[in-house]
Amino acid sequence: AQSVTQLGSHVSVSEGALVLLRCNYSSSVPPYLFWYVQYPNQGLQLLLKYTSAATLVKGINGFEAEFKKSETSFHLTKPSAHMSDAAEYFCAVSELRTGNQFYFGTGTSLTVIP
Amino acid sequence: KAGVTQTPRYLIKTRGQQVTLSCSPISGHRSVSWYQQTPGQGLQFLFEYFSETQRNKGNFPGRFSGRQFSNSRSEMNVSTLELGDSALYLCASSLGTIAEQYFGPGTRLTVT
Repeated sequence: AQSVTQLGSHVSVSEGALVLLRCNYSSSVPPYLFWYVQYPNQGLQLLLKYTSAATLVKGINGFEAEFKKSETSFHLTKPSAHMSDAAEYFCAVSELRTGNQFYFGTGTSLTVIP
Repeated sequence: KAGVTQTPRYLIKTRGQQVTLSCSPISGHRSVSWYQQTPGQGLQFLFEYFSETQRNKGNFPGRFSGRQFSNSRSEMNVSTLELGDSALYLCASSLGTIAEQYFGPGTRLTVT
């Protein structure tokens, strides 16, 4: 069965500091992995996705994530946090068998301190 | 290109009533998925429709149903509403399988 664990429901960083949001997945077959961001009262916006190509994936707004099969992880990073990065971040996993049935983590709320 | 639109954006219903939510996908997208988002359970998959056929279904009771029309627009229906159905219902569209899903702004349903 597929599942996603996001360690840390709340993360606070100073403006300009490194952002690291953790995601570990469980999947019996090669997974497809996604990071989404949600701003208040809005839907989810795709940041980046991993679909078995390069293990280091670059996304929008300076975010990137690295797929590590040995650690079953797909952590999201950004070198320098900006105030506008404050939002809820969700990691999601899917498999070819289940197609567009995404399994989401519980989310990490990112606070950026000026 | 217009994004995914959902109507209505906000809805207040009484226990026992039924409700229909609508989702218009991005033009050309044939897959529409529905998710329920609550503070306690997070984002949970309801079902996916592709070319008017339900392709995947999550673990929700039969009170939750959906359909898709030939123009790919989708509706979700919840009958006999319960207080626990209060949630943000998100619709997502995509071109195909394991393609990026583009989410709408959601419909905030409150059951009193």
